[in-house]
Amino acid sequence: GENVEQHPSTLSVQEGDSAVIKCTYSDSASNYFPWYKQELGKRPQLIIDIRSNVGEKKDQRIAVTLNKTAKHFSLHITETQPEDSAVYFCARGGTSYGKLTFGQGTILTVHP
Amino acid sequence: DTGVSQDPRHKITKRGQNVTFRCDPISEHNRLYWYRQTLGQGPEFLTYFQNEAQLEKSRLLSDRFSAERPKGSFSTLEIQRTEQGDSAMYLCASSPRGSGDEKLFFGSGTQLSVL
Repeated sequence: GENVEQHPSTLSVQEGDSAVIKCTYSDSASNYFPWYKQELGKRPQLIIDIRSNVGEKKDQRIAVTLNKTAKHFSLHITETQPEDSAVYFCARGGTSYGKLTFGQGTILTVHP
Repeated sequence: DTGVSQDPRHKITKRGQNVTFRCDPISEHNRLYWYRQTLGQGPEFLTYFQNEAQLEKSRLLSDRFSAERPKGSFSTLEIQRTEQGDSAMYLCASSPRGSGDEKLFFGSGTQLSVL
């Protein structure tokens, strides 16, 4: 199916530590994997995305890795800051433009 | 703010009433999407327009839901005979034409509460 499983559901880290969130999917036709950050009461915002033809992408303190054989992808945040605290959603797409299937979300809390 | 705008931000209605939401996408984006998000869950796809054509609808979209995008610009989502289970955040998103058209830019949503 098109489901995406996301773990953990909550993640608590100290400022400066790294945070890793993992997602797995089952649809082999998936070829687009974005990550969205949603702060309380605000809109989901795209923070990084990766396509199936690359294994890793990095943008400053955030990176995404993709293992298409194992059908899982991960978000890595290094040197976490309190403003990184939010809900993070992974998603998969590719079978239809813009039709994304989202994971259940991870509540990340970064303690100062 | 030149992003996706939605109106109203909040809507409280009684069960059985009809409600209509509006979405104005980013002007150069030809694709427009409606998603629904309930508390503690990720957004769920409802429907998708390319210009004025509605190209895909989710099984989640019952007959009480109808969406339009008559001139290929703004879109409306109407829910008839609302039920308590319709309470959710209704998110609109748009995406640009061509490469990268899966990149969704979301609006702030309309929070619907059905009493």
